[in-house]
Amino acid sequence: GAVVSQHPSRVICKSGTSVKIECRSLDFQATTMFWYRQFPKQSLMLMATSNEGSKATYEQGVEKDKFLINHASLTLSTLTVTSAHPEDSSFYICSARTSGGNEQFFGPGTRLTVL
Amino acid sequence: KQEVTQIPAALSVPEGENLVLNCSFTDSAIYNLQWFRQDPGKGLTSLLLIQSSQREQTSGRLNASLDKSSGRSTLYIAASQPGDSATYLCAVRDSSYKLIFGSGTRLLVRP
Repeated sequence: GAVVSQHPSRVICKSGTSVKIECRSLDFQATTMFWYRQFPKQSLMLMATSNEGSKATYEQGVEKDKFLINHASLTLSTLTVTSAHPEDSSFYICSARTSGGNEQFFGPGTRLTVL
Repeated sequence: KQEVTQIPAALSVPEGENLVLNCSFTDSAIYNLQWFRQDPGKGLTSLLLIQSSQREQTSGRLNASLDKSSGRSTLYIAASQPGDSATYLCAVRDSSYKLIFGSGTRLLVRP
């Protein structure tokens, strides 16, 4: 089956620093990638959708200048949390879909803790 | 706006029981519905995907049904095992092709 990886799996940083999370599709070309965040005991909330080579489309309420998304290739998307604060602490999950694909494949998630 | 609700929020059953998890959605204009499993601190594992034209899908001890007109889906787990303990998420792909998630059902199967 299709595999999506994320790196790092866990990161702890100080308030005010920036953190980059990578999402890779290992055995397929992902024309579209999605970034979700999940707070404890809550469901996944879509943050943004990115298509390879295009600017990301952000959901309402998500600050595009704070959560920078780059989808430079068909196998890699990155999410950079700029000037992170404790309220940004969450579980970030990426997902990938092929062109015309019916199914999304999810990465294992990245636990971000901002002190 | 599409909203997905899952009931119950949490469920505890003894090993061996058959159980049903419920999912409802407010807008019947969906492309498909998917059930996922999420273990604590982990990502999502896809269990079953039902296209809008289908009524049910089966995989091993799992059976998922879809009644699009009434906005309901159920996930049936037969002969539950402690290894089935996890959070089960229902998600619909809405008319804008986005995947909208429910808040999940946390299942505990007691040995």
